[in-house]
Amino acid sequence: EADIYQTPRYLVIGTGKKITLECSQTMGHDKMYWYQQDPGMELHLIHYSYGVNSTEKGDLSSESTVSRIRTEHFPLTLESARPSHTSQYLCASGGQVNTEAFFGQGTRLTVV
Amino acid sequence: QKEVEQNSGPLSVPEGAIASLNCTYSDRVSQSFFWYRQYSGKSPELIMSIYSNGDKEDGRFTAQLNKASQYVSLLIRDSQPSDSATYLCAVNNFNKFYFGSGTKLNVKP
Repeated sequence: EADIYQTPRYLVIGTGKKITLECSQTMGHDKMYWYQQDPGMELHLIHYSYGVNSTEKGDLSSESTVSRIRTEHFPLTLESARPSHTSQYLCASGGQVNTEAFFGQGTRLTVV
Repeated sequence: QKEVEQNSGPLSVPEGAIASLNCTYSDRVSQSFFWYRQYSGKSPELIMSIYSNGDKEDGRFTAQLNKASQYVSLLIRDSQPSDSATYLCAVNNFNKFYFGSGTKLNVKP
């Protein structure tokens, strides 16, 4: 069973606020990912990391930033939230090369 | 060209029938392939992984891989209403995961 946790599950916040979405995993996985998904739409990779101090942008341009200071922790930050950031954000992690990824429960963000 | 292509559906099958879901991928060097199930409003959960050509069975699920044709499929036998969900095909290329847009499956009682 995958142990990957995201907080908060739901967040409603005003325009212009700074927010950080938390993602932690207890499996010791090196690889972690952030995806953005609008309702009924496909998953888009926005950030990924192959290990501590390694972060890369994904295929979908995003105004968010990430950090990877510890193996188990991969937070995502929006410096100034806008209504266009309203979406579901999914964090995932993976272990060995080319193996599966496991997802957290997601954070549903609404910016008003 | 998208990395992973899937028919968006919806695919409707009666309860007890076999549901067949298909996926093609563009990168010939892809090594690992996965099927995820996603219920509305939930996060994807892994159903099957497959790494070599041929079939892999797990309970009511069978994944099929044909690397020459760059084709992956998922068969669900004895489909149940609880199988109604969106099924995502995923490809892992050197640790970057690419997902298809998903096929919505409806199993009618």
